Amino acid sequence: RKEVEQDPGPFNVPEGATVAFNCTYSNSASQSFFWYRQDCRKEPKLLMSVYSSGNEDGRFTAQLNRASQYISLLIRDSKLSDSATYLCVVNSSGDKLTFGTGTRLAVRP
Amino acid sequence: GAVVSQHPSWVICKSGTSVKIECRSLDFQATTMFWYRQFPKQSLMLMATSNEGSKATYEQGVEKDKFLINHASLTLSTLTVTSAHPEDSSFYICSASSGGYTDTQYFGPGTRLTVL
Repeated sequence: RKEVEQDPGPFNVPEGATVAFNCTYSNSASQSFFWYRQDCRKEPKLLMSVYSSGNEDGRFTAQLNRASQYISLLIRDSKLSDSATYLCVVNSSGDKLTFGTGTRLAVRP
Repeated sequence: GAVVSQHPSWVICKSGTSVKIECRSLDFQATTMFWYRQFPKQSLMLMATSNEGSKATYEQGVEKDKFLINHASLTLSTLTVTSAHPEDSSFYICSASSGGYTDTQYFGPGTRLTVL
């Protein structure tokens, strides 16, 4: 089983739609969780950290369910500029990050 | 956020040559730097972790004699791909952290290596 699993997508949605991504992780001792965004042929960029109580940043909401070992990202009112690959990232050992393969989002006009 | 640069941004070389990639933290001191590799449609895979002034720690399956890492200062780490072969063609990305268990890693823009 992969340490971090994501549905690769692609998710193809119209502008203005709400879309949710899920991610599961295998190491129950994992401490920190993040969502990164990666555009084609670019480096990943931190979108937001994920906290146990859930957190929101504008149109983006992240949730963590430790009991079920899954993390979610909700994007409301999708914009064309949201088209990218969203990487679920887990810090499960010291300062090493483990990346999921990413979920591709395509927002159409 | 903090800035990390990589040089070169892309390189094309012949099989058998060595390629050096530099990773610099421009506005902070990076006690730890990480080197990742990403093949098309795959996730980033950690290759090695380097701490300033000490030997790098390589992940399982990564040949330390082939991927030489030097972290000689708090702002510079280099990755040298020795005797590169076509299967080494990939997107190499470094990240830097100022330290601490949950400290944020800042990613460089990546280096695209193509070995002919």
